[in-house]
Amino acid sequence: DAEITQSPRHKITETGRQVTLACHQTWNHNNMFWYRQDLGHGLRLIHYSYGVQDTNKGEVSDGYSVSRSNTEDLPLTLESAASSQTSVYFCASSEGQGTYEQYFGPGTRLTVT
Amino acid sequence: GQQVMQIPQYQHVQEGEDFTTYCNSSTTLSNIQWYKQRPGGHPVFLIQLVKSGEVKKQKRLTFQFGEAKKNSSLHITATQTTDVGTYFCAGRGGGATNKLIFGTGTLLAVQP
Repeated sequence: DAEITQSPRHKITETGRQVTLACHQTWNHNNMFWYRQDLGHGLRLIHYSYGVQDTNKGEVSDGYSVSRSNTEDLPLTLESAASSQTSVYFCASSEGQGTYEQYFGPGTRLTVT
Repeated sequence: GQQVMQIPQYQHVQEGEDFTTYCNSSTTLSNIQWYKQRPGGHPVFLIQLVKSGEVKKQKRLTFQFGEAKKNSSLHITATQTTDVGTYFCAGRGGGATNKLIFGTGTLLAVQP
């Protein structure tokens, strides 16, 4: 069965370190998204991609970057981790734009100390 | 920018009571989706509404899209403990604004 996976599931890192969170989907979806979830804020979009070599900034993109070299993967990099980036990160994918539902991965809980 | 607000933030009910969460957008939406997130889990798609005034039902869940396409609601009849979780609405603007904007979510607790 097609799925979307994230790794690691839990990560503790120190302030200033570079961190990369992996997202891999086997749906063959063109669209992929990264969200962060914080209490009281719901899900906020960090970056998204509509296809290979395409990346776009979301509403909270500062301090984060993504790259899309193939259809299956959209890794999220925190250039220099800050305590404010302690959060739960969800990757999602969808078949297309417009009315398509999003399929979410299991999430990565990141703690920056 | 576009904002989607959701109320209440938290609701605690006795099993068997009804529950409603409301979603309001600052701008007109092309469509709205609803997701459920179980405690410790990830959001899972429930339904999508597209037409003005649309009403859809899934067993005990009733979803409505407002006439002006700026608000929506989810009503659960006779809650069960399996309904526990956070319910998110997610609105999509029209035209060039094609991204989903998630509401802040409503956490539902059901006491047996």
